[in-house]
Amino acid sequence: DAMVIQNPRYQVTQFGKPVTLSCSQTLNHNVMYWYQQKSSQAPKLLFHYYDKDFNNEADTPDNFQSRRPNTSFCFLDIRSPGLGDAAMYLCATSREGGLAGGIGELFFGEGSRLTVL
Amino acid sequence: GQQLNQSPQSMFIQEGEDVSMNCTSSSIFNTWLWYKQDPGEGPVLLIALYKAGELTSNGRLTAQFGITRKDSFLNISASIPSDVGIYFCAGQTTDSWGKLQFGAGTQVVVTP
Repeated sequence: DAMVIQNPRYQVTQFGKPVTLSCSQTLNHNVMYWYQQKSSQAPKLLFHYYDKDFNNEADTPDNFQSRRPNTSFCFLDIRSPGLGDAAMYLCATSREGGLAGGIGELFFGEGSRLTVL
Repeated sequence: GQQLNQSPQSMFIQEGEDVSMNCTSSSIFNTWLWYKQDPGEGPVLLIALYKAGELTSNGRLTAQFGITRKDSFLNISASIPSDVGIYFCAGQTTDSWGKLQFGAGTQVVVTP
């Protein structure tokens, strides 16, 4: 059974029209991440939540926002999508600590592919 | 920025052959993870490594955490068609809690 569920799997939007992508998890992990992945590239971290604490990457555009109303859900809001924002958006979770006291293992959802027309 | 160098960038192999790829870093890592990503899907964790020198297997997959803590390799033995995909290494440095750094990926193509 899927443990990190992303919706929708495919999203088509128009230039400048706001988009919200959702992520839910059944793992009860306290850390949730949003990554952006463009074609043939590695995932790029946008931000992550450690419990309710929001941690933004320095190079994440202001156009990208996130909300985490509870442990299970996290949302990615793209306020005014541009053509350059077309990508796969990956949600991931991890449990604090892990075996080495670090982030432990990251579990990814299947991704939401965003197309901007 | 990305600190991991993953090679090779792509591999074209025949079914039954073994595959080897590696990642190196200029920084010391305390965690190495290997993921496989199929087209249009999210990365799936294959193997996690937490100790220098650790050698871990998962079926036909074997990965090792380098003694220097700056490298890791992944081997796939007796490749099969479903091994096709992109393999990513990812690691966490001692001063970047909560942030995985990813290699650029190795594209594996298996021909019958």
